Amino acid sequence: QVSLQESGPGMVKSSETLSLICTVSSDSINDYFWSWIRQPAGKGLEWIGRVYPSGITNYKPSLKSRVTISVDTSKRQISLTLTSVTAADSAVYYCARDPGPYAYMDVWGKGITVHVSS
Amino acid sequence: SFELTQPPSLTVSPGQTASITCSGDRLGDKYVCWYQQRPGQSPLMVIYNDNKRPSGIPERFSGSNSGNTATLTIGGAQTLDEADYYCQTWDSASTTALFGGGTRLTVL
Repeated sequence: QVSLQESGPGMVKSSETLSLICTVSSDSINDYFWSWIRQPAGKGLEWIGRVYPSGITNYKPSLKSRVTISVDTSKRQISLTLTSVTAADSAVYYCARDPGPYAYMDVWGKGITVHVSS
Repeated sequence: SFELTQPPSLTVSPGQTASITCSGDRLGDKYVCWYQQRPGQSPLMVIYNDNKRPSGIPERFSGSNSGNTATLTIGGAQTLDEADYYCQTWDSASTTALFGGGTRLTVL
């Protein structure tokens, strides 16, 4: 069974760039889409975007100008970059496997909490 | 823009059937999946493609989707089913995945 592990800084300063990595335990990274989802404390889930190893990306329109999701198949890693962060970007960030094409997430990481400080 | 609407909460007694709805314009034309999230845990997919159960999900979980409403049904709800439940779909027009706001299920 594949597992996903998010990593990165737990705190980012306001206006700076948030960068997270998701490491995939298996070699099947080429066969799936990989999504990032976030959840502010006490609130619901918000899909950020996804990437396919061929380079195809889809992003939530309201975040598109600040988000980049990419994949490094040699390292089995998916990265998330979010620029110009504010307190509203504080959340638990999850990566998830998406068998595609209609975007459902069948395996999730444990999540990483990111706090944006002023 | 396309939106999914869920009731914020639902309370049922143990052994009763819990039906959680998710509504959206012509939602029946799209595939819907459902996630269970217990406190402090990552979401767990319990239904995909409207009514398919992943391996390991109990048979008491079932799904349907028609018209403007998708429904997650938990037959014979148990206290361990207490959790937040989220519906999710893919909007092809905007190439975006969308979550409903979530429903907190209480079994007591």
